Amino acid sequence: TQLLEQSPQFLSIQEGENLTVYCNSSSVFSSLQWYRQEPGEGPVLLVTVVTGGEVKKLKRLTFQFGDARKDSSLHITAAQPGDTGLYLCAGKLEDSGGYQKVTFGTGTKLQVIP
Amino acid sequence: DAGVIQSPRHEVTEMGQEVTLRCKPISGHNSLFWYRQTMMRGLELLIYFNNNVPIDDSGMPEDRFSAKMPNASFSTLKIQPSEPRDSAVYFCASSPRTSGRGMIADTQYFGPGTRLTVL
Repeated sequence: TQLLEQSPQFLSIQEGENLTVYCNSSSVFSSLQWYRQEPGEGPVLLVTVVTGGEVKKLKRLTFQFGDARKDSSLHITAAQPGDTGLYLCAGKLEDSGGYQKVTFGTGTKLQVIP
Repeated sequence: DAGVIQSPRHEVTEMGQEVTLRCKPISGHNSLFWYRQTMMRGLELLIYFNNNVPIDDSGMPEDRFSAKMPNASFSTLKIQPSEPRDSAVYFCASSPRTSGRGMIADTQYFGPGTRLTVL
């Protein structure tokens, strides 16, 4: 069972368009992170959101954590070819032993065409 | 500063052979994670260590997989015997803060990965 579902799975858009990627779960997370992974490399952290309803901006990227801390969205304005990559959300949960664990979402593969 | 270092970057082997993947975490980080990434299953956590001690290995698929961290600067993931379904990209990541009870795991820094192909 996948705890974190991302949609869409694939997205191909023209340069300059806007897009939104979603990350949804039935679990409540203590915090949620977004990573971007480029081909042949490991994921790189973009942002961490902690508070329900929190909004963070990173240049043309806007991240929002749902009020109930079960979902998140990533909005990109005026997409550039450099935004191409695999976007992964990662939620932090406390397990039965009290340890914080990170679970990664299914991923959204974005292609921005020049 | 050097990031997480993994070796080899690519490994091609035949079914039944032993495979050893290596990882050097970022100096000073005390948590280390091994992940496997495939198209079908995405990024899966296999095992993580805190201060060289394995904390959670529930993601290790079966007894053919084993991981060790003999010191703070080195870890290995071994598959013996390897099977074609083990083909994937294996990532090592390290984190600067303890992932312990009551503490929130910090940012994970990923290595470039090892692409394993088992024929």
